[in-house]
Amino acid sequence: NAGVTQTPKFQVLKTGQSMTLQCAQDMNHEYMSWYRQDPGMGLRLIHYSVGAGITDQGEVPNGYNVSRSTTEDFPLRLLSAAPSQTSVYFCASRYRALNEQFFGPGTRLTVL
Amino acid sequence: DAKTTQPPSMDCAEGRAANLPCNHSTISGNEYVYWYRQIHSQGPQYIIHGLKNNETNEMASLIITEDRKSSTLILPHATLRDTAVYYCIVRVGGYGGSQGNLIFGKGTKLSVKP
Repeated sequence: NAGVTQTPKFQVLKTGQSMTLQCAQDMNHEYMSWYRQDPGMGLRLIHYSVGAGITDQGEVPNGYNVSRSTTEDFPLRLLSAAPSQTSVYFCASRYRALNEQFFGPGTRLTVL
Repeated sequence: DAKTTQPPSMDCAEGRAANLPCNHSTISGNEYVYWYRQIHSQGPQYIIHGLKNNETNEMASLIITEDRKSSTLILPHATLRDTAVYYCIVRVGGYGGSQGNLIFGKGTKLSVKP
């Protein structure tokens, strides 16, 4: 199993540009989540999904959209990038609600 | 959601036990205590979790006080590769889609020194 994969690893955007961060898992996990981590901080939950077709907001959802058309994929869309969205983004998945979460390697995003 | 309090940093000598404390005085009866760690800038890694009994696995031991208001993660023989930020997390309880979501604090930066 590849586990949780994220692409790209690094990305630089200009203010106002849009892009999609990709996340995929091959463990048949129902639950998937997106987090962001700013310097010196813990991770903050952006959006999460409890299964294909079902998504919900986390702590800091503004400026981000998600969709879950398949069990495997959970892309995160930045509609109009802002410098405040400069961060490291982690995707995670787990089999059931209280199971351990598996995290991807992260995407480092800089918005100029 | 229950909040956790951890010291910002700790040092430990290589080969000695590392004891990382965590306070969670507002924990509810059905909430679990989870520990994750983050090495350098990698994605967090699960270590262990427990409800009210002490737990042990190949990585660590978790000691939860009888009143469940605090816990200690023990790495029995710390190595240089255990240098990381350790997060103590109380899992979102209740039911519904948010069950099990992780709410991270700032964690404890553990430095294992030779």
